[in-house]
Amino acid sequence: QSALTQPPSASGSPGQSVTISCTGTSSDVGGYDFVSWYQQHPGKAPKLMIYEVTKRPSGVPDRFSGSKSGNTASLTVSGLQAEDEADYYCSSYAGSNNFVVFGGGTKVTVL
Amino acid sequence: QLQLQESGPGLVKPSETLSLTCTVSGGSISSSSYCWGWIRQPPGKGLEWIGSIYYSGSTYYNPSLKSRVTTSVDTSKNQFSLKLSSVTAADTAVYFCARLGMSTKKLDCWGQGTLVTVSS
Repeated sequence: QSALTQPPSASGSPGQSVTISCTGTSSDVGGYDFVSWYQQHPGKAPKLMIYEVTKRPSGVPDRFSGSKSGNTASLTVSGLQAEDEADYYCSSYAGSNNFVVFGGGTKVTVL
Repeated sequence: QLQLQESGPGLVKPSETLSLTCTVSGGSISSSSYCWGWIRQPPGKGLEWIGSIYYSGSTYYNPSLKSRVTTSVDTSKNQFSLKLSSVTAADTAVYFCARLGMSTKKLDCWGQGTLVTVSS
């Protein structure tokens, strides 16, 4: 059982938006602004898409955005494209003992 | 450009110790801004944080694996390593090494991953 809770799947048609939630506790998501999101295509390593809740690394399209409210963080993919079909994982800093915790992952399907 | 590459046996027998090394190129493992982590992914499942090590040797481990995990760093070779003892079939996974920003807590550079199978 993962420390952070994500829905197992989400879907949308090309051009639409999809939002993925990531629920933790006050010891991780709610306690720190260190939520990251990773995209993983089959057989590939995860790729950083969002860090520190809302920041995008260079090269990541602005169609990807992050937010947080309380113990729940969210990733929104706007203007869905075929290449966005992948697994998405959230992670959060969880203090010096646990350090990093992951969500169980959400499979995004572009219909 | 920073690159990370995992290496080690792809098959380990039950009860033995899994050993992997991550070689860092294009950057120094001795940077004070980063630590170096291990993450694993069982086939068809999600990501699991194993632990990380700072160039000075400070370590941070997943509490559920802490009793079986040892990490080390070799700054002269720009490498860091993972040892996981008393493995079982449940430890079969793709093992990734990655760079973790100390101030951002982001895993911004990953190795390609290596599959380790635990089987007799």
